[in-house]
Amino acid sequence: SQKIEQNSEALNIQEGKTATLTCNYTNYSPAYLQWYRQDPGRGPVFLLLIRENEKEKRKERLKVTFDTTLKQSLFHITASQPADSATYLCALDPLSSASKIIFGSGTRLSIRP
Amino acid sequence: GAVVSQHPSWVICKSGTSVKIECRSLDFQATTMFWYRQFPKQSLMLMATSNEGSKATYEQGVEKDKFLINHASLTLSTLTVTSAHPEDSSFYICSASPTGTGNQPQHFGDGTRLSIL
Repeated sequence: SQKIEQNSEALNIQEGKTATLTCNYTNYSPAYLQWYRQDPGRGPVFLLLIRENEKEKRKERLKVTFDTTLKQSLFHITASQPADSATYLCALDPLSSASKIIFGSGTRLSIRP
Repeated sequence: GAVVSQHPSWVICKSGTSVKIECRSLDFQATTMFWYRQFPKQSLMLMATSNEGSKATYEQGVEKDKFLINHASLTLSTLTVTSAHPEDSSFYICSASPTGTGNQPQHFGDGTRLSIL
């Protein structure tokens, strides 16, 4: 069956450390993978997109990797801050390169001071 | 840029009522919009793809007669939950992309919290 799994339902990190979130998928061949942040009671906000031919993408303190062999994406937040506390969602295109995206289960990240 | 607005932000109504939720792209045109629902502490589940000027495409298991989607203009899609019951209570969120093509970020509304008594 097809799955998008984010391995940790919740992750607690000390401020200043690097948070690493995992997204694994099964029986999909996405052309791209996206990461979103969602705060309680709000819609998701786009963070990063990485294409199948890209190994790594960076934006400020954020870094995403994409390994199509392992069928995995890693999302890193360096120098984490309490304001980074939120739910992080990975998403992919189930029909390669189409605009429709579906989401993983999400990881609730808490950064403690 | 690329702002998506959803209205209402929350609604409480009695069982059996039909509820309409609007999704607007404020500064771009969207030939395609998407509707999701989200239960507490769960991820977003794609319900349907809303296509301007044509019928919506529903995901497997989503009742098209229960969740009516209309996309009459390039900036507005509506989701109507017909004869809503308590099990329809959820957080409904729409999204759109300025380009309407793949490989681009989706921009989300802030959701509508629907509570059916």
